Amino acid sequence: EVQLLESGGGLVQPGGSPRLSCAASGFTFSSYAMTWVRQAPGKGLEWVSAITGNGGSTYYADSVKGRFTISRDNSKNTLFLQMNSLRVEDTAVYYCAKSRVPAASRFDMDVWGQGTTVTVSS
Amino acid sequence: DIQMTQSPSTLSASAGDRVTITCRASQSINNWLAWYQQKPGKAPKLLIYKASILEGEVPSRFSGSGSGTEFTLTISSLQPDDFATYYCQQYNSYSYTFGQGTRLEIK
Repeated sequence: EVQLLESGGGLVQPGGSPRLSCAASGFTFSSYAMTWVRQAPGKGLEWVSAITGNGGSTYYADSVKGRFTISRDNSKNTLFLQMNSLRVEDTAVYYCAKSRVPAASRFDMDVWGQGTTVTVSS
Repeated sequence: DIQMTQSPSTLSASAGDRVTITCRASQSINNWLAWYQQKPGKAPKLLIYKASILEGEVPSRFSGSGSGTEFTLTISSLQPDDFATYYCQQYNSYSYTFGQGTRLEIK
């Protein structure tokens, strides 16, 4: 069974630097691009960042560019999101998601984790 | 970035109704559009990709159409399980963007 399990969320002070993880299982992790999507309380979905299967290309929303870094360790089937200089408006549930098709140049997301909550507050 | 605009924001309907949700892109995205369903407290679920292809076990009462800048999601006969929030998402170019969502509620 394909599964994604996020961790690393919690209460963080403004300016903090947590790292989120997403442990993948049930598929050939290195073949698939991966994405982070977030959802602020009571709000819609916001695409945050994506990374290709080999980690060679990364993409970011303008709202997080320069503050967040996406990476992956294909030997450990794990996706990461390093979040720096956190702001109150980064408070959200953060989901990781798998691309539906391997090695795709454009990808929708067919499997999502359950999400991890990041709350930025002093 | 490409802006995605969904309408309506909220839709009230009854079981058995046929409903349509519209998603407009600020520029052409060809058919690189997905629809997701989300229920409260749950992760989104992929319903449709490439504008009109049903994912896996998604019931055939769901259908998608459109190309370019205008797209629709239609549910032909609403079932109780369909009351949820629906999002479109373009994946033609980065950064991939979602519509603001359409909340489908029971009338």
